[in-house]
Amino acid sequence: AQKITQTQPGMFVQEKEAVTLDCTYDTSDPSYGLFWYKQPSSGEMIFLIYQGSYDQQNATEGRYSLNFQKARKSANLVISASQLGDSAMYFCAMRERETSGSRLTFGEGTQLTVNP
Amino acid sequence: KAGVTQTPRYLIKTRGQQVTLSCSPISGHRSVSWYQQTPGQGLQFLFEYFSETQRNKGNFPGRFSGRQFSNSRSEMNVSTLELGDSALYLCASSRTQQVVFPEAFFGQGTRLTVV
Repeated sequence: AQKITQTQPGMFVQEKEAVTLDCTYDTSDPSYGLFWYKQPSSGEMIFLIYQGSYDQQNATEGRYSLNFQKARKSANLVISASQLGDSAMYFCAMRERETSGSRLTFGEGTQLTVNP
Repeated sequence: KAGVTQTPRYLIKTRGQQVTLSCSPISGHRSVSWYQQTPGQGLQFLFEYFSETQRNKGNFPGRFSGRQFSNSRSEMNVSTLELGDSALYLCASSRTQQVVFPEAFFGQGTRLTVV
């Protein structure tokens, strides 16, 4: 079974509007972390935001926030006030305690295009 | 503070050759992980090194190997290259091996093309 599912291969948003990128996950491990990364066409994976499974509040980092719904096993990324520079591939990833170490499991990604 | 440095950025190799990729983690980071990214398979975990020891290995053939040096720099080697090894190889560094520690920073990757 897929551990990380991103159901939106592509998303379009107008500049200055908010956009939500979906991510659902599957794990039986009670201790895990969820990550979002941005990958521009240059290839580098840029860390955006992190949510731990025991965190009580949703994570926020500037214009990025993570809508964490533990019971639904979803960790959607919300980007507010989209900018042209936000156009990129976005990946949701998970790290589980059982796996040990720093191993990340990634979803298939969502290609976001911000239109002027 | 310098980021994760991967060299070279681009490589073209012929089938059957071998290749070595290098990754220098952020200063103070002791964990280095490698990932392969292809259009068909997405991002797949190769292996992880911590304090010169391989701690995790993904589902890749033995042609893929790696090592880590005492200064935390890591190399990965692919022998007997196949066309399917063409990919972006990404290295990530983390400060500790703690499972849910948030910091996992990636380099810009090495784009390998096998012809």
